[in-house]
Amino acid sequence: DQQVKQNSPSLSVQEGRISILNCDYTNSMFDYFLWYKKYPAEGPTFLISISSIKDKNEDGRFTVFLNKSAKHLSLHIVPSQPGDSAVYFCAASSGATNKLIFGTGTLLAVQP
Amino acid sequence: NAGVTQTPKFQVLKTGQSMTLQCAQDMNHNSMYWYRQDPGMGLRLIYYSASEGTTDKGEVPNGYNVSRLNKREFSLRLESAAPSQTSVYFCASGYPQGPQHFGDGTRLSIL
Repeated sequence: DQQVKQNSPSLSVQEGRISILNCDYTNSMFDYFLWYKKYPAEGPTFLISISSIKDKNEDGRFTVFLNKSAKHLSLHIVPSQPGDSAVYFCAASSGATNKLIFGTGTLLAVQP
Repeated sequence: NAGVTQTPKFQVLKTGQSMTLQCAQDMNHNSMYWYRQDPGMGLRLIYYSASEGTTDKGEVPNGYNVSRLNKREFSLRLESAAPSQTSVYFCASGYPQGPQHFGDGTRLSIL
C-alpha cells in the first residue's frame, strides 16, 4: 500500500510560468516532508523540506505547501526555467530514524 | 566537496554471485541509508544505520546485508545475487530530522 503518492507521472509547463507538483500521503504519523530533484544518471538532490508544524516554507523560487487535514503537499516553482526539467520526488518520514518513504516521481518538462 | 561517494558506478553480475557495494560520506553525518530504485517506482529503503555500530531493516531488506564499518562508511552486500535485485542502488547520509544527501548511485544488472 503506497503511503506517498504522486498521481501525475509527468507535467509540461512553459518557461516563466508556474509549475505545481502535487503529492498525497496516507500516514498521519508523518511529520517531515521533503522534495528532491533528480537528473538522469545522478542521485536525488535535496530541494526543500517542511515540518508538520508549518504549512508553508519558501526558498527562492521554490515554495512547499502542506495541508495536513487533506494529507496533501505541493511544490510551486516560480518562475519555471528549462534547467528545472527533471524528475521530482516527494518524500515523508516520521520519528527520529528519518526513514524516508518516497513517491513515484513526476517528470517536469519546462519548455523554452 | 565529495559528499556521498558510491563505488562501483556500474556492475554486471551472474545469478548466484556475490558483491559488496561501497559507500562513504565526508559530512560527519550520524545516519546512513541504502535505497534501491526500480523503473516507475520511488526509492525504497533497504537498510539504514542510525549511528555507528547500529543497523536496522528498512522496507525491502530480503537478500541483503549491511555493515557500518565506521562513521564514514556503510556497505551493502548481496550474498547470492538474483535477477530481481537488478536495480539502481543509492546510498544516503544525514542527521535525524534533516534532509538526506545522496550519492550518484550504483547501476547493478544481474543476468
